[in-house]
Amino acid sequence: AQRVTQPEKLLSVFKGAPVELKCNYSYSGSPELFWYVQYSRQRLQLLLRHISRESIKGFTADLNKGETSFHLKKPFAQEEDSAMYYCAPSGGSNYKLTFGKGTLLTVNP
Amino acid sequence: GAVVSQHPSWVICKSGTSVKIECRSLDFQATTMFWYRQFPKQSLMLMATSNEGSKATYEQGVEKDKFLINHASLTLSTLTVTSAHPEDSSFYICSAPNGLAGSGETQYFGPGTRLLVL
Repeated sequence: AQRVTQPEKLLSVFKGAPVELKCNYSYSGSPELFWYVQYSRQRLQLLLRHISRESIKGFTADLNKGETSFHLKKPFAQEEDSAMYYCAPSGGSNYKLTFGKGTLLTVNP
Repeated sequence: GAVVSQHPSWVICKSGTSVKIECRSLDFQATTMFWYRQFPKQSLMLMATSNEGSKATYEQGVEKDKFLINHASLTLSTLTVTSAHPEDSSFYICSAPNGLAGSGETQYFGPGTRLLVL
């Protein structure tokens, strides 16, 4: 069965500190990996995907197939990064997403 | 960019009535749409995959007769909660994939519909 583990339900850091949101997955085949973010009172939106290997808002995520991990990192957190973050692998012909339970990141001033 | 809308944004209904929620892709076509349910402070739970021109595919444990899905066109999917009960009260979200095949389809999410059944 497809499974996504985000071990931290809550993560609190101070502004300027590094942040890492962990994600481990168990998935058959070769999934695409995504991070989605939900800011307060906004809809869920794509943050980044592993296939594009880009940095969005200072965030990066490296896919480690050996460890089946896709941790999200940012070297210097900002207050506006406070949000709910979901790791989601996607697979199959219809690109169905499997969501982790999410990590609520709070960046304190 | 790709936009997905949902209507209504919130609805209150009496127990036993049916409620229809619409999901529209405004500037792209979607042969597939997804319906999720989100409880307070919890993650999204996929309910079903809506397929244009064919039957919806329901996730395990989701009653297909309770949650009727119709993908009427390439830009519209509807979720009807039939004979709603208070336990159906939740936040319902739809999404539609859009992107280049093989490059990682990005899901675009609607703003959600909050349903309260009294």
